[in-house]
Amino acid sequence: QSVLTQPPSVSAAPGQKVTISCSGSSSNIGNNYVSWYQQLPGTAPKLLIYENNKRPSGIPDRFSGSKSGTSATLGITGLQTGDEADYYCGTWDSSLSAGGVFGGGTKLTVL
Amino acid sequence: EVQLVESGGGLVKPGGSLRLSCAASGFTFSSYSMNWVRQAPGKGLEWVSSISSSSSYIYYADSVKGRFTISRDNAKNSLYLQMNSLRAEDTAVYYCARLTIFGVAYDYWGQGTLVTVSS
Repeated sequence: QSVLTQPPSVSAAPGQKVTISCSGSSSNIGNNYVSWYQQLPGTAPKLLIYENNKRPSGIPDRFSGSKSGTSATLGITGLQTGDEADYYCGTWDSSLSAGGVFGGGTKLTVL
Repeated sequence: EVQLVESGGGLVKPGGSLRLSCAASGFTFSSYSMNWVRQAPGKGLEWVSSISSSSSYIYYADSVKGRFTISRDNAKNSLYLQMNSLRAEDTAVYYCARLTIFGVAYDYWGQGTLVTVSS
């Protein structure tokens, strides 16, 4: 059981937009920055979004992040087949050990 | 270019030990906190352990506390994870991951090394 809750799967057609939600509580998302990671099949996770809505260098602006209260959302526009991957949200939790906590992951299918 | 390369994974019997290594390059290793994050087959990400830049602060997930030991050698740009009393539930791909300077995200990850605990 993950500390953060994500939908197991989402799907959309190429060119469309999709959002992935991440729900937590005041001890984690509510009082900490949220990050998002993309894990393509058979590869390591890659940082997509940090500090709720900032993109590292090289991440296209098709990817966006937002946070409101104890929830966060990853948005992807102009979907491409290459976006098919697992997406994880992450943050810290003041009630747990000093390490990060993650959502259970969302499998994105581009139909 | 930042690179993190893990090694040391393999098949080990329950109760056995294994030492993972992570070789870092392309950045000033001694300036960053480093972490181990694992992923069981078909499952999500689980933070395992973290160590501050000078080894002053070390933390473990409850699931590995007392069995795993994290360490680093800044002179060798290397991170380690000594895993003892291994259990079947420790079977996973183990990633080393760099924490951003401001500690808000894991910005670089290695390719991972697979640890399989089975008799």
